Amino acid sequence: ILNVEQSPQSLHVQEGDSTNFTCSFPSSNFYALHWYRWETAKSPEALFVMTLNGDEKKKGRISATLNTKEGYSYLYIKGSQPEDSATYLCAFSWADKLIFGTGTRLQVFP
Amino acid sequence: NAGVTQTPKFRVLKTGQSMTLLCAQDMNHEYMYWYRQDPGMGLRLIHYSVGEGTTAKGEVPDGYNVSRLKKQNFLLGLESAAPSQTSVYFCASDRTGTGVSYEQYFGPGTRLTVT
Repeated sequence: ILNVEQSPQSLHVQEGDSTNFTCSFPSSNFYALHWYRWETAKSPEALFVMTLNGDEKKKGRISATLNTKEGYSYLYIKGSQPEDSATYLCAFSWADKLIFGTGTRLQVFP
Repeated sequence: NAGVTQTPKFRVLKTGQSMTLLCAQDMNHEYMYWYRQDPGMGLRLIHYSVGEGTTAKGEVPDGYNVSRLKKQNFLLGLESAAPSQTSVYFCASDRTGTGVSYEQYFGPGTRLTVT
């Protein structure tokens, strides 16, 4: 059974705190690992697609790393801002589909 | 370039009624997907299509049918709606056509309530 697990389920931090989340996925037959940002009442938007072991991607204050051998990825947010509040979804490419985790819901308080 | 659009945005149905949700994309993508999103369940794949005229079942296909008569459109049908189908439905399309899903673009969602 293919399973993508994300932790924690939810996180509350103060503005300015740095935070990180974990995504665990099957390490065999790896194609790509995705991170999406999903704001309430909107649709998911792609943050990163990573394909190579050791990949590191960065967009502003958000970065992600990938370890395909052990099957995990970390998403880091440096100096969280209230506008970072969203659910962060991780997904694993399985052939022509994506298998999604249930997400980490981040709330950043001013 | 509108991206992925969904019609309607909201709908309320009575148990047993039928309806069709329309997804349209103007990016010439081969792959299209229908998901449902329920609290605590994340995104679950209902059906998908890897090209015009093709469809395949996802994780939760029961109670739904789909058609992909034109490359740009992917229709999701509920023949006899049930309260368990109350959900938010998202459509997505993927820019790749190599047998691996690399980046999906999502529509704005359709909120469906079945009473």
